[in-house]
Amino acid sequence: QLVESGGGLVQPGGSLRLSCAASGFTFSNYWMSWVRQAPGKGLEWVANIKQDGSEKYYVDSVKGRFTISRDNAKNSLYLQMNSLRADDTAVYYCARRRDHLLLAFDIWGQGTMVIVSS
Amino acid sequence: DIQMTQSPSSLSASVGDRVTITCRASQSISNYLHWYQQRPGKAPKVLIYGASSLQSGVPSRFSGSGSGTDFTLTISSLQPEDFATYYCQQSYSTPTFGQGTRLEIK
Repeated sequence: QLVESGGGLVQPGGSLRLSCAASGFTFSNYWMSWVRQAPGKGLEWVANIKQDGSEKYYVDSVKGRFTISRDNAKNSLYLQMNSLRADDTAVYYCARRRDHLLLAFDIWGQGTMVIVSS
Repeated sequence: DIQMTQSPSSLSASVGDRVTITCRASQSISNYLHWYQQRPGKAPKVLIYGASSLQSGVPSRFSGSGSGTDFTLTISSLQPEDFATYYCQQSYSTPTFGQGTRLEIK
């Protein structure tokens, strides 16, 4: 399973670090992703990271502001979010990408809410 | 980026009905297309991967078809627990989702 933490209320321009703790599978074998959902809106992929952390990709709207990382020894995924804006307000999910399922996201966390407001 | 367009955006149906949701990609994505169900306040759950493969544990009333740019999700006989929002997602390139289809009880 995946369990996110670290969400909360932050002022515009502020920073926040999200964490995702993985259990029940060999974390280091999988690409991992962050997906977000603004209130009442659809799903938006945010970033993903290769098994060893050597490749990282981001949606254009967060490039240069967000950084995805992982610690395989701790079975943990992270999202460092800087220069936050109101439109970053969303529930942030971590998700496992399953190569065997043609890259579908087969396990999701319960999500952590990030609110960017003054 | 590849744009994914779902239709309809919302749909009203009754228990026992057969419903179909469509998803169109802005360019060919082969069969790199997946369907998710999201109930209110919950995380999405994958139903169909690779356009037509049923994920383990998902009831057989769910099915998917299509290839290239046009795809469908069909629920053969709606059950009360199926009223939710459904999203398609492509993994051919940088992942993108459709805008969602809200399935409501008539």
